[in-house]
Amino acid sequence: RKEVEQDPGPFNVPEGATVAFNCTYSNSASQSFFWYRQDCRKEPKLLMSVYSSGNEDGRFTAQLNRASQYISLLIRDSKLSDSATYLCVVRPYSGYSTLTFGKGTMLLVSP
Amino acid sequence: DGGITQSPKYLFRKEGQNVTLSCEQNLNHDAMYWYRQDPGQGLRLIYYSQIVNDFQKGDIAEGYSVSREKKESFPLTVTSAQKNPTAFYLCASSIGGAEETQYFGPGTRLLVL
Repeated sequence: RKEVEQDPGPFNVPEGATVAFNCTYSNSASQSFFWYRQDCRKEPKLLMSVYSSGNEDGRFTAQLNRASQYISLLIRDSKLSDSATYLCVVRPYSGYSTLTFGKGTMLLVSP
Repeated sequence: DGGITQSPKYLFRKEGQNVTLSCEQNLNHDAMYWYRQDPGQGLRLIYYSQIVNDFQKGDIAEGYSVSREKKESFPLTVTSAQKNPTAFYLCASSIGGAEETQYFGPGTRLLVL
């Protein structure tokens, strides 16, 4: 089983739509979770960290379900500028450890 | 203006040639990382360094080498032993320790002639 799995998409949605992505991780001891955004041919940029209680940043909401080992990202009122690939990122262990990146989910928002 | 810079943006390598990718940060971060990204693939860790003069192999270190002589610099050399070097190379840094949020440079695209 892959460590971090995401549906590659693409998810095609119209402007103003609500869209949700899920990501599953294999290591139940995973400690930290993030969503990064990557535009075409650009570097990944941190979108938000994911906290156990769930967290919201404007139109973006992230949730963590430790029992089922998945995290989710909800985008409300989609904008054209939201078109990008969204990377699910997990830190597998406590203490110092490197990050594990999913392959990403592509979102295309159309007018 | 703090950040991470990578140069060059594009790099061409001939058969049998070693090439070095530059990564510099002025964020005063202790930890630095090198990743490789292939089309449709996730980021794969090549090398990382938690502190000056120390570094560890990542998942795909074969054919690569690094040095960390200064806190702000972490150059990556792609050696001739790396048989499939064409990829997008990303450098990242983080404060270090248990602070794992990583910030990325703009990347270098390496192409083989």
